[in-house]
Amino acid sequence: GQQVMQIPQYQHVQEGEDFTTYCNSSTTLSNIQWYKQRPGGHPVFLIQLVKSGEVKKQKRLTFQFGEAKKNSSLHITATQTTDVGTYFCAGSLRGGGADGLTFGKGTHLIIQP
Amino acid sequence: NAGVTQTPKFRILKIGQSMTLQCAQDMNHNYMYWYRQDPGMGLKLIYYSVGAGITDKGEVPNGYNVSRSTTEDFPLRLELAAPSQTSVYFCASTVGRNNSPLHFGNGTRLTVT
Repeated sequence: GQQVMQIPQYQHVQEGEDFTTYCNSSTTLSNIQWYKQRPGGHPVFLIQLVKSGEVKKQKRLTFQFGEAKKNSSLHITATQTTDVGTYFCAGSLRGGGADGLTFGKGTHLIIQP
Repeated sequence: NAGVTQTPKFRILKIGQSMTLQCAQDMNHNYMYWYRQDPGMGLKLIYYSVGAGITDKGEVPNGYNVSRSTTEDFPLRLELAAPSQTSVYFCASTVGRNNSPLHFGNGTRLTVT
């Protein structure tokens, strides 16, 4: 079945350093979504990427979708304590409902002041 | 507009007991989902529904049942609870077109001992 691998599993950074998490699929994706989950909270949608090579920015967050639509990354510039949490990618082989979404295991971002 | 509401927030069950996790959404979303999240893992789809009266199995349906009698409600039933069902359960909903974003409830933390 479809697999979505996400690395690293954990990332410790000093506040102000940059952070990147990577998502790789064994198959070509229709689109990919990114979610953030604060400790003890629920996943919250961040963004969706659809086009090959697409790059989207949200303030200090930059999302990329690979040319082959098999990988994606999330980069945070100058991390802040509010960025703490787990970042999940979720890839889909097809459009339609989320029954086709496969979640990665997530990257836990830990920030040291 | 409450979004997706889950009850209870916490529950402890003894092995063999049964319970129903409640989920309701007020966004008139057709698509609803139940996920489980184990420590350090991503989200695994248990069951989903594309509309009232229609349900289907996800990746890990064994030991669970669902019903969808109305658009708003999507309860998850655990029969004969087992320790392997100790997890955090998230209900989510989406409009359902073109992999629109998932809206998650706050989760139910279930322990089976």
